[in-house]
Amino acid sequence: DIQMTQSPSTLSASVGDRVIITCRASQSISSWLAWYQQKPGIAPKLLIYKASILESGVPSRFSGSGSGTEFTLTITSLQPDDFATYYCQQYDTYWTFGQGTKVEIK
Amino acid sequence: QVQLVQSGAEVKKPGASVKVSCKASGNTFSGRYIHWVRQAPGQGLEWMGWLNPNTGGANYAQKFQGRVTMTRDTSISTEYMELNWLTSDDTAVYYCARVALGLSHFDDWGQGTLVTVSS
Repeated sequence: DIQMTQSPSTLSASVGDRVIITCRASQSISSWLAWYQQKPGIAPKLLIYKASILESGVPSRFSGSGSGTEFTLTITSLQPDDFATYYCQQYDTYWTFGQGTKVEIK
Repeated sequence: QVQLVQSGAEVKKPGASVKVSCKASGNTFSGRYIHWVRQAPGQGLEWMGWLNPNTGGANYAQKFQGRVTMTRDTSISTEYMELNWLTSDDTAVYYCARVALGLSHFDDWGQGTLVTVSS
């Protein structure tokens, strides 16, 4: 099974900060990676797929990069609505999620 | 976007089974694969398997093989996930999610169904 490891597990930031979340795969997954945002009690929401393609309607302050085994999600100028938990997901071989990164208010 | 509407919360005793439904709003049948993902309280997301609503074929994560069954009723555009031999470790929110057209990530999610297993 492909393991996905996110870092950090928790991130404290302020409105306006630039935030970077990292996701590492245990083996190469090419660009078959998605990022989701989840708020408490609500289903995950797709942000980015194929490592760097922004889902329609998602603000441009979100961006993704990487390929192979190393990926990043960047949020430029963090907004109040962005405090949430973020998950990466590989879909190269079956489907596996990272353990999540909680972005909290500093 | 099509919404996926799931059945309501369930409380089950250990050893019992639960069957959760997932229906596309407007009776829209897209034919796209439906996946099931669960989330234990305070934990991350765990993939359980997928269903091909066109053929009824399914593929399950190894962890759940022998204990989970995914089915569909095309006449009412509804997919089902049944989990047997429940234990307290199965207490979680269960989500259905639909893959994007021609791709494999999830672009639509149901609202989630809380299944509580307690004696």
